[in-house]
Amino acid sequence: NAGVIQTPRHKVTGKGQEATLWCEPISGHSAVFWYRQTIVQGLEFLTYFRNQAPIDDSGMPKERFSAQMPNQSHSTLKIQSTQPQDSAVYLCASSLAPGQVGNQAPLFGEGTRLSVL
Amino acid sequence: QQKVQQSPESLIVPEGGMASLNCTSSDRNVDYFWWYRQHSGKSPKMLMSIFSNGEKEEGRFTVHLNKASLHTSLHIRDSQPSDSALYLCAASMIASSSFSKLVFGQGTSLSVVP
Repeated sequence: NAGVIQTPRHKVTGKGQEATLWCEPISGHSAVFWYRQTIVQGLEFLTYFRNQAPIDDSGMPKERFSAQMPNQSHSTLKIQSTQPQDSAVYLCASSLAPGQVGNQAPLFGEGTRLSVL
Repeated sequence: QQKVQQSPESLIVPEGGMASLNCTSSDRNVDYFWWYRQHSGKSPKMLMSIFSNGEKEEGRFTVHLNKASLHTSLHIRDSQPSDSALYLCAASMIASSSFSKLVFGQGTSLSVVP
């Protein structure tokens, strides 16, 4: 099992450009979470899918951020018109549902480091 | 808005010593607490979880939970330099047969010195 796979590992964009980040959850996991991490803000929740349906996007900046999960094998986080303050490590995690046999902890991928110049 | 507070912000312990980390949630609806460890440049890795009052031990790591006060603590005995990392506490609820989002604290930075 390869774990949660995130691509690319590093992305550099110019201010105003678009960035698309990809996440492949662990096979069989029903929940996918997106977080971002900075030194100042720590680990911030962005959005969450369960069985591909959006459940909670309360952490998403409304105007420029969007996330999709078109099938059970991948999710994308898109940031339009990137700004320097968007620079962070974006982390994707997936988990089993409570009651499913196995480790139910949300397991993180290695993240995508986004740098907006 | 749900908050998870961790203390201390940073901690230095001698090799072989005991490290004690604290975490409290402000949301009375939380059901689960999670402890993650994050080494520098790496992603968080789950260490332990707890949802029942009391204590849970796995090797050198012990977690306590007091559901009445929504306080959990992580204790690391015989601390090793490899335990030096950022320790993150998170809280979540169970709703509609699934976990809610995890809300993380700011973390405790642990340094184990030889």
